[in-house]
Amino acid sequence: AQTVTQSQPEMSVQEAETVTLSCTYDTSESDYYLFWYKQPPSRQMILVIRQEAYKQQNATENRFSVNFQKAAKSFSLKISDSQLGDAAMYFCAYRGHSNYQLIWGAGTKLIIKP
Amino acid sequence: EAGVAQSPRYKIIEKRQSVAFWCNPISGHATLYWYQQILGQGPKLLIQFQNNGVVDDSQLPKDRFSAERLKGVDSTLKIQPAKLEDSAVYLCASSLEVSSYNEQFFGPGTRLTVL
Repeated sequence: AQTVTQSQPEMSVQEAETVTLSCTYDTSESDYYLFWYKQPPSRQMILVIRQEAYKQQNATENRFSVNFQKAAKSFSLKISDSQLGDAAMYFCAYRGHSNYQLIWGAGTKLIIKP
Repeated sequence: EAGVAQSPRYKIIEKRQSVAFWCNPISGHATLYWYQQILGQGPKLLIQFQNNGVVDDSQLPKDRFSAERLKGVDSTLKIQPAKLEDSAVYLCASSLEVSSYNEQFFGPGTRLTVL
């Protein structure tokens, strides 16, 4: 069975600096998708970025980018120029082709210090 | 484009009582999901619908939870009777169709407290 692990329950970063959130996963599938979701205190989950496993190029969305290491089964999220509005829970999620269910990590709480 | 709507936003009940949550997905989205999110954890899928058919309900505690999506649009999740461990946020999400790639859009959730 697939699993997703986020080893950092909480991270803090100074405003305008860069922070990296870690995620590792376990799967026997070769083709799958990985996602980072953001859940602000209002609790509406929002997709931040997604990565297709067959693509070698790391996905980028403005200040958000990923470091996808397929062999190491690692999928970290880098937030550049951190802003106060980035404060939220961040969840890493996996979705394979054999089972369309999203497998979620436990989340990392990101605190932005002004 | 209107997002996923859920109601109520908050609900407090006593154990053994019944409760129902309502979800209206984004127009045109065939797939609807109900998740349970316990404080400090990631969401856990309870049930997934494709139109008005159930795709996956393997983690739904069927002795007390039920869900329906009669006309393939909005959906209701019911708990009867509630237990203390059901205290959680219940999230509804929708996507265009069942696909590994399709983004899931989430509603604001219903926070349930069972006393």
